[in-house]
Amino acid sequence: KNEVEQSPQNLTAQEGEFITINCSYSVGISALHWLQQHPGGGIVSLFMLSSGKKKHGRLIATINIQEKHSSLHITASHPRDSAVYICAAPTGNQFYFGTGTSLTVIP
Amino acid sequence: EPEVTQTPSHQVTQMGQEVILRCVPISNHLYFYWYRQILGQKVEFLVSFYNNEISEKSEIFDDQFSVERPDGSNFTLKIRSTKLEDSAMYFCASGFNRGYEQYFGPGTRLTVT
Repeated sequence: KNEVEQSPQNLTAQEGEFITINCSYSVGISALHWLQQHPGGGIVSLFMLSSGKKKHGRLIATINIQEKHSSLHITASHPRDSAVYICAAPTGNQFYFGTGTSLTVIP
Repeated sequence: EPEVTQTPSHQVTQMGQEVILRCVPISNHLYFYWYRQILGQKVEFLVSFYNNEISEKSEIFDDQFSVERPDGSNFTLKIRSTKLEDSAMYFCASGFNRGYEQYFGPGTRLTVT
Protein backbone atom coordinates (compact mmCIF):
# COMPACT_ATOMS: atom_id res chain seq x y z
CA LYS A 1 0.00 0.00 0.00
CA ASN A 2 1.40 3.36 -1.02
CA GLU A 3 0.33 6.26 1.10
CA VAL A 4 1.57 8.64 -1.58
CA GLU A 5 1.07 8.04 -5.31
CA GLN A 6 2.62 10.08 -8.07
CA SER A 7 1.98 10.23 -11.78
CA PRO A 8 3.44 9.97 -14.25
CA GLN A 9 6.49 7.94 -13.22
CA ASN A 10 8.47 9.16 -16.19
CA LEU A 11 8.00 12.23 -18.32
CA THR A 12 9.86 13.51 -21.35
CA ALA A 13 9.14 17.00 -22.61
CA GLN A 14 10.45 19.39 -25.20
CA GLU A 15 12.04 22.56 -23.96
CA GLY A 16 9.39 25.21 -23.44
CA GLU A 17 6.55 22.83 -22.70
CA PHE A 18 4.21 23.20 -19.74
CA ILE A 19 4.60 20.25 -17.37
CA THR A 20 2.27 18.86 -14.73
CA ILE A 21 3.13 16.24 -12.13
CA ASN A 22 0.39 14.87 -9.90
CA CYS A 23 0.41 13.56 -6.35
CA SER A 24 -2.38 11.85 -4.44
CA TYR A 25 -2.12 10.81 -0.84
CA SER A 26 -4.21 8.78 1.55
CA VAL A 27 -2.81 9.92 4.90
CA GLY A 28 -4.17 12.83 6.86
CA ILE A 29 -1.78 15.74 6.60
CA SER A 30 -1.67 19.43 7.24
CA ALA A 31 0.89 20.15 4.52
CA LEU A 32 2.62 18.51 1.60
CA HIS A 33 6.19 18.82 0.39
CA TRP A 34 7.54 18.85 -3.13
CA LEU A 35 11.19 17.92 -3.43
CA GLN A 36 13.61 17.87 -6.33
CA GLN A 37 16.32 15.25 -6.56
CA HIS A 38 19.15 16.15 -8.89
CA PRO A 39 20.84 13.57 -11.11
CA GLY A 40 23.74 13.56 -8.63
CA GLY A 41 21.38 12.48 -5.84
CA GLY A 42 21.06 15.68 -3.81
CA ILE A 43 17.61 16.64 -2.57
CA VAL A 44 16.24 20.17 -2.47
CA SER A 45 12.97 21.22 -0.92
CA LEU A 46 10.86 23.14 -3.47
CA PHE A 47 7.61 23.79 -1.68
CA MET A 48 5.78 23.12 1.51
CA LEU A 49 2.12 23.96 1.14
CA SER A 50 -1.01 23.44 3.14
CA SER A 51 -3.61 25.13 0.94
CA GLY A 52 -4.13 26.88 -2.34
CA LYS A 53 -1.16 27.66 -4.51
CA LYS A 54 2.49 28.69 -4.23
CA LYS A 55 4.79 29.99 -6.94
CA HIS A 56 8.58 30.17 -7.16
CA GLY A 57 9.79 31.40 -10.48
CA ARG A 58 8.58 28.96 -13.14
CA LEU A 59 7.36 26.44 -10.58
CA ILE A 60 3.80 26.41 -9.29
CA ALA A 61 2.39 24.01 -6.71
CA THR A 62 -1.26 23.58 -5.88
CA ILE A 63 -3.01 21.51 -3.27
CA ASN A 64 -6.58 20.46 -2.56
CA ILE A 65 -6.64 19.17 1.00
CA GLN A 66 -10.23 17.90 0.74
CA GLU A 67 -9.45 15.84 -2.36
CA LYS A 68 -5.98 14.85 -1.06
CA HIS A 69 -4.35 15.88 -4.28
CA SER A 70 -1.51 18.16 -5.25
CA SER A 71 0.06 19.17 -8.54
CA LEU A 72 3.42 20.59 -9.46
CA HIS A 73 3.57 22.64 -12.65
CA ILE A 74 6.62 23.84 -14.51
CA THR A 75 6.11 26.60 -17.05
CA ALA A 76 8.49 27.12 -19.98
CA SER A 77 10.44 23.97 -19.10
CA HIS A 78 14.19 23.96 -19.58
CA PRO A 79 16.75 21.13 -19.75
CA ARG A 80 18.08 22.17 -16.34
CA ASP A 81 14.67 21.19 -14.90
CA SER A 82 15.56 17.56 -15.65
CA ALA A 83 15.43 15.80 -12.28
CA VAL A 84 13.26 13.54 -10.18
CA TYR A 85 10.38 15.34 -8.49
CA ILE A 86 9.09 13.80 -5.28
CA CYS A 87 6.06 14.60 -3.20
CA ALA A 88 6.20 13.80 0.48
CA ALA A 89 3.43 13.81 3.04
CA PRO A 90 4.29 14.40 6.67
CA THR A 91 2.05 12.81 9.23
CA GLY A 92 2.96 13.14 12.85
CA ASN A 93 6.71 13.07 12.77
CA GLN A 94 7.00 10.66 9.87
CA PHE A 95 7.19 11.35 6.18
CA TYR A 96 5.72 9.23 3.42
CA PHE A 97 7.38 9.65 0.06
CA GLY A 98 6.10 9.11 -3.43
CA THR A 99 8.19 7.09 -5.84
CA GLY A 100 9.07 10.22 -7.76
CA THR A 101 8.52 11.46 -11.29
CA SER A 102 11.60 11.39 -13.47
CA LEU A 103 11.50 14.40 -15.79
CA THR A 104 13.70 14.80 -18.83
CA VAL A 105 13.49 18.03 -20.78
CA ILE A 106 14.98 17.81 -24.26
CA PRO A 107 16.47 20.91 -25.87
CA GLU B 1 22.87 30.54 3.35
CA PRO B 2 22.90 27.94 6.13
CA GLU B 3 23.00 24.33 4.99
CA VAL B 4 22.99 20.81 6.34
CA THR B 5 26.29 19.02 5.91
CA GLN B 6 27.04 15.31 6.01
CA THR B 7 30.23 13.33 6.30
CA PRO B 8 31.59 11.25 4.78
CA SER B 9 30.18 11.61 1.28
CA HIS B 10 30.93 7.95 0.59
CA GLN B 11 31.63 5.16 3.03
CA VAL B 12 32.63 1.65 2.10
CA THR B 13 32.50 -0.96 4.82
CA GLN B 14 32.53 -4.71 5.21
CA MET B 15 29.47 -6.65 6.28
CA GLY B 16 29.25 -6.89 10.06
CA GLN B 17 31.18 -3.69 10.70
CA GLU B 18 29.81 -0.71 12.58
CA VAL B 19 29.45 2.60 10.76
CA ILE B 20 28.65 6.07 11.99
CA LEU B 21 27.23 8.60 9.59
CA ARG B 22 27.53 12.20 10.65
CA CYS B 23 25.37 15.23 10.03
CA VAL B 24 25.57 18.84 11.10
CA PRO B 25 22.05 20.30 10.97
CA ILE B 26 21.27 23.98 10.60
CA SER B 27 22.08 25.60 13.92
CA ASN B 28 18.69 26.92 15.04
CA HIS B 29 16.73 23.88 13.90
CA LEU B 30 15.06 21.69 16.46
CA TYR B 31 13.90 18.64 14.50
CA PHE B 32 16.26 16.19 12.89
CA TYR B 33 15.65 13.32 10.54
CA TRP B 34 17.38 10.45 8.82
CA TYR B 35 16.19 8.98 5.55
CA ARG B 36 17.59 6.39 3.25
CA GLN B 37 17.27 5.68 -0.44
CA ILE B 38 18.28 2.34 -1.84
CA LEU B 39 19.51 2.70 -5.41
CA GLY B 40 16.59 2.95 -7.79
CA GLN B 41 14.00 3.05 -5.03
CA LYS B 42 12.07 5.77 -3.27
CA VAL B 43 13.23 7.73 -0.28
CA GLU B 44 12.26 6.08 3.02
CA PHE B 45 11.87 7.64 6.41
CA LEU B 46 14.04 6.16 9.15
CA VAL B 47 13.76 8.27 12.28
CA SER B 48 12.94 11.71 13.63
CA PHE B 49 14.59 13.24 16.68
CA TYR B 50 13.55 16.13 18.89
CA ASN B 51 14.53 17.33 22.32
CA ASN B 52 17.27 14.72 22.56
CA GLU B 53 15.04 11.77 21.96
CA ILE B 54 13.50 9.79 19.13
CA SER B 55 10.07 11.15 18.19
CA GLU B 56 9.13 8.54 15.67
CA LYS B 57 10.80 5.70 13.84
CA SER B 58 9.88 3.47 10.95
CA GLU B 59 9.91 -0.31 10.79
CA ILE B 60 13.28 -0.09 9.07
CA PHE B 61 14.85 1.50 12.15
CA ASP B 62 15.43 -1.68 14.15
CA ASP B 63 17.84 -2.42 16.98
CA GLN B 64 20.78 -2.25 14.59
CA PHE B 65 20.25 1.48 14.23
CA SER B 66 20.72 4.24 16.75
CA VAL B 67 20.86 8.02 16.64
CA GLU B 68 22.56 10.51 18.84
CA ARG B 69 23.16 14.21 19.17
CA PRO B 70 26.37 13.99 21.16
CA ASP B 71 27.44 17.61 21.38
CA GLY B 72 24.60 19.91 20.38
CA SER B 73 25.78 20.31 16.81
CA ASN B 74 26.36 16.87 15.32
CA PHE B 75 23.57 14.38 14.67
CA THR B 76 24.75 10.84 14.05
CA LEU B 77 23.28 7.62 12.71
CA LYS B 78 25.00 4.44 13.82
CA ILE B 79 24.51 1.06 12.23
CA ARG B 80 25.93 -1.57 14.59
CA SER B 81 26.47 -4.52 12.30
CA THR B 82 26.03 -3.63 8.67
CA LYS B 83 24.32 -5.92 6.20
CA LEU B 84 24.54 -5.91 2.44
CA GLU B 85 20.99 -4.53 2.28
CA ASP B 86 22.05 -1.46 4.26
CA SER B 87 23.81 -0.22 1.13
CA ALA B 88 21.99 3.01 0.27
CA MET B 89 22.22 6.78 0.23
CA TYR B 90 21.50 8.16 3.68
CA PHE B 91 20.12 11.66 3.94
CA CYS B 92 19.98 13.80 7.02
CA ALA B 93 17.50 16.65 7.24
CA SER B 94 16.62 19.30 9.77
CA GLY B 95 13.71 21.64 10.31
CA PHE B 96 12.69 24.37 12.67
CA ASN B 97 9.24 23.05 13.30
CA ARG B 98 7.54 19.67 13.15
CA GLY B 99 6.23 18.66 9.76
CA TYR B 100 7.36 21.88 8.17
CA GLU B 101 10.00 22.60 5.57
CA GLN B 102 13.03 20.42 5.89
CA TYR B 103 16.51 21.10 4.66
CA PHE B 104 18.34 18.09 3.34
CA GLY B 105 22.01 17.32 3.47
CA PRO B 106 23.85 16.09 0.37
CA GLY B 107 23.73 12.48 1.55
CA THR B 108 26.24 9.78 2.44
CA ARG B 109 26.50 6.86 0.08
CA LEU B 110 27.05 3.72 2.14
CA THR B 111 28.35 0.66 0.35
CA VAL B 112 28.48 -2.59 2.31
CA THR B 113 30.61 -5.31 0.73
